[in-house]
Amino acid sequence: NAGVTQTPKFQVLKTGQSMTLQCAQDMNHNSMYWYRQDPGMGLRLIYYSASEGTTDKGEVPNGYNVSRLNKREFSLRLESAAPSQTSVYFCASRDLGLNQPQHFGDGTRLSIL
Amino acid sequence: KQEVTQIPAALSVPEGENLVLNCSFTDSAIYNLQWFRQDPGKGLTSLLLIQSSQREQTSGRLNASLDKSSGRSTLYIAASQPGDSATYLCAVRLVYSGAGSYQLTFGKGTKLSVIP
Repeated sequence: NAGVTQTPKFQVLKTGQSMTLQCAQDMNHNSMYWYRQDPGMGLRLIYYSASEGTTDKGEVPNGYNVSRLNKREFSLRLESAAPSQTSVYFCASRDLGLNQPQHFGDGTRLSIL
Repeated sequence: KQEVTQIPAALSVPEGENLVLNCSFTDSAIYNLQWFRQDPGKGLTSLLLIQSSQREQTSGRLNASLDKSSGRSTLYIAASQPGDSATYLCAVRLVYSGAGSYQLTFGKGTKLSVIP
């Protein structure tokens, strides 16, 4: 069972470079999410997509853009990477319903030099 | 703004002990509360979800309780094993408030070490 798949798993960028993090889920879930996890800060929501064709900002959207390409795929783009964006990025998905749990991928570890 | 606190930040216990992890939240208007497990270098795995109308949920050696009025939840692990070593996070989902309705607010986690 694949669940939520994130690529790449690791990436090192230089300041100012751009990059797209990919996420795909095979559970036919409507909602998808991007989080970042930083030491001492916990997980913070960057963007989410409640359904195909919609996206909304979360708690920390600055410096990021997202695309809900289809029901399966939700990508996160850094247009001009900054050292402050060094983090572990997690994608998650969730089925319809008030009390459905979120399912997470294994993360992308991103370092900006 | 909803804040979620988990105390202690780290806990070390000998194998076989029963233990309790704590989670508190400031806004009681929640849909549900989830407990997750995170292994090093891995994503989060959902352990238990308690709906706001429920008092507890059980799965195997795990039991989670919810006291919404006091803003507290506990995760009880019975007969702990070295394989239980991980970081445990709780997260709450607020009732519908427009754009915030789909968001989870996470605690920073409790890192559990079970010593053989």
